[in-house]
Amino acid sequence: GAGVSQSPSNKVTEKGKDVELRCDPISGHTALYWYRQSLGQGLEFLIYFQGNSAPDKSGLPSDRFSAERTGGSVSTLTIQRTQQEDSAVYLCASSLRVAGGPDTQYFGPGTRLTVL
Amino acid sequence: KQEVTQIPAALSVPEGENLVLNCSFTDSAIYNLQWFRQDPGKGLTSLLLIQSSQREQTSGRLNASLDKSSGRSTLYIAASQPGDSATYLCAVRGPNAGKSTFGDGTTLTVKP
Repeated sequence: GAGVSQSPSNKVTEKGKDVELRCDPISGHTALYWYRQSLGQGLEFLIYFQGNSAPDKSGLPSDRFSAERTGGSVSTLTIQRTQQEDSAVYLCASSLRVAGGPDTQYFGPGTRLTVL
Repeated sequence: KQEVTQIPAALSVPEGENLVLNCSFTDSAIYNLQWFRQDPGKGLTSLLLIQSSQREQTSGRLNASLDKSSGRSTLYIAASQPGDSATYLCAVRGPNAGKSTFGDGTTLTVKP
């Protein structure tokens, strides 16, 4: 596709349920990033993939959060036993990661997660 | 730990004015700095990216500068238009080119 896509666009779930958020990066982009944007707060980094490996997962807030990337393409962010404080917009970005290049991050439209 | 601050938090100007948005960061060991705009309820749109070795970048009415030694970047918008109304975010990428640290943004309103 032309840009980064994310699904679902909106997700409403009950406290304690598990959710999966999907990100399809721009074709050929080797780097993929997850961020979240909470109401009244800025964008915070969650995890970064280079290929299928995650060199930096320092932003995952707890062990209820996990992410994987397969085939160097699609990534899934999983939140187990959701809590109300997990409500946020989850944003995915990708970049080409050519050595010495500008490495522009391109963002998807986000998934708005609401935990009731 | 990198910290990014954007001033002002909000700005309202009449159409046609030139304006400057500011971004400051605490750690000068960066890979690049990227400016985005975010419209309400939407994702982020990349405006300009300045690599660590560069001083400025220009695109149309936008010009971004970078001064690593002082930990500052500015986004200059010339001849502002109502369509420029949005939140502008500054993102600093760490030296390993992984995570970006974002400022809280400047919300710009351009009045017709």
